Amino acid sequence: NAGVTQTPKFQVLKTGQSMTLQCAQDMNHNSMYWYRQDPGMGLRLIYYSASEGTTDKGEVPNGYNVSRLNKREFSLRLESAAPSQTSVYFCASSEARTGAGNTIYFGEGSWLTVV
Amino acid sequence: DAKTTQPPSMDCAEGRAANLPCNHSTISGNEYVYWYRQIHSQGPQYIIHGLKNNETNEMASLIITEDRKSSTLILPHATLRDTAVYYCIVRVGGGLYNFNKFYFGSGTKLNVKP
Repeated sequence: NAGVTQTPKFQVLKTGQSMTLQCAQDMNHNSMYWYRQDPGMGLRLIYYSASEGTTDKGEVPNGYNVSRLNKREFSLRLESAAPSQTSVYFCASSEARTGAGNTIYFGEGSWLTVV
Repeated sequence: DAKTTQPPSMDCAEGRAANLPCNHSTISGNEYVYWYRQIHSQGPQYIIHGLKNNETNEMASLIITEDRKSSTLILPHATLRDTAVYYCIVRVGGGLYNFNKFYFGSGTKLNVKP
């Protein structure tokens, strides 16, 4: 059981280049998320997908687009990378269900540097 | 969702109990308290969560005060591998709610020393 898997783990981009971060989960979760974490800071939500076929903006969506390809996969795209997007990106997933509070599970992160 | 307040850093001797406090004075009746930790920029790792009763699992214990305005995460026998940033988060749990408002603050950096 791999949990949440992100690729690539490391990437260096030049300003203006585009790239897509891939994320897949094997826990059959409905909801998926993309966070970024800048040095010494907590995580900030970029976009999320409450269920397959829906996506919504989080706290810091500017400069990013997302695609919920199917229930398993949620990708994050940088159309024109900027140095301010240098960060560590975390994908996460959770299962929305009634009753007791559920939990969110994170991938291991993707280190992106924009030069 | 309610916000939380945690000390920026704490030290603990290896083998001793680590007690990490969290204040959440504006917590609502249906909000859960969650604890996660992040070891050296790895993905955050779930530790424990609770609503109002104390909880214990194989990693830690969670003590929530009766008025629910604060909580303490207890690592009973801290090891060097427990050195990490610990995040206390409150959110509404279950039902239609998901983690779109699961705000991570700056957390507490726990330093476990030999």
